[in-house]
Amino acid sequence: RKEVEQDPGPFNVPEGATVAFNCTYSNSASQSFFWYRQDCRKEPKLLMSVYSSGNEDGRFTAQLNRASQYISLLIRDSKLSDSATYLCVVKRTGRRALTFGSGTRLQVQP
Amino acid sequence: DAGITQSPRHKVTETGTPVTLRCHQTENHRYMYWYRQDPGHGLRLIHYSYGVKDTDKGEVSDGYSVSRSKTEDFLLTLESATSSQTSVYFCAISETGQGYNEQFFGPGTRLTVL
Repeated sequence: RKEVEQDPGPFNVPEGATVAFNCTYSNSASQSFFWYRQDCRKEPKLLMSVYSSGNEDGRFTAQLNRASQYISLLIRDSKLSDSATYLCVVKRTGRRALTFGSGTRLQVQP
Repeated sequence: DAGITQSPRHKVTETGTPVTLRCHQTENHRYMYWYRQDPGHGLRLIHYSYGVKDTDKGEVSDGYSVSRSKTEDFLLTLESATSSQTSVYFCAISETGQGYNEQFFGPGTRLTVL
């Protein structure tokens, strides 16, 4: 079983739609949580960190459920420019490096 | 954007040859990392460094070695390249290895081993 699991998609949504991604992690020692965005053939870039209280950044809302060990990302009012792969990332206590999910691909259509 | 460059950006080589990839940063960050990205696997850590001459293995370190003689440079060497090492290699940096400290990624190197 992978340490971080995501639905690979693709999620095909029209502009203006709301879309949600979920991610589950298997190790309860996971300490820090992130969503990274990766455009085709580009490097991953941090989209947002995910805190226990949940957090929002414009059209993006991230939630963390430690009891069920899942993380979610909600994108409202989708734009064409949101088309990308979204990577769920966790960091385990005592580890320096990140553990990545395989990513969920989003395609926003006009 | 964080000042991270990788060289070469693309390389095609033959099985059995040694290959060295370079990561260079201008941010003076302490931590540097090498990941590989393959379809269906996400990014996986190969090696990382927590200071000059201080390195440690990641989850897929077999067949790879690293060196860091200066803060700004982190080299990844494939001692004898194999076709299974065909991948996209990303370097990353971070100020600390703690908690929510962000990792910034370089543009990647596409390596093909024939």
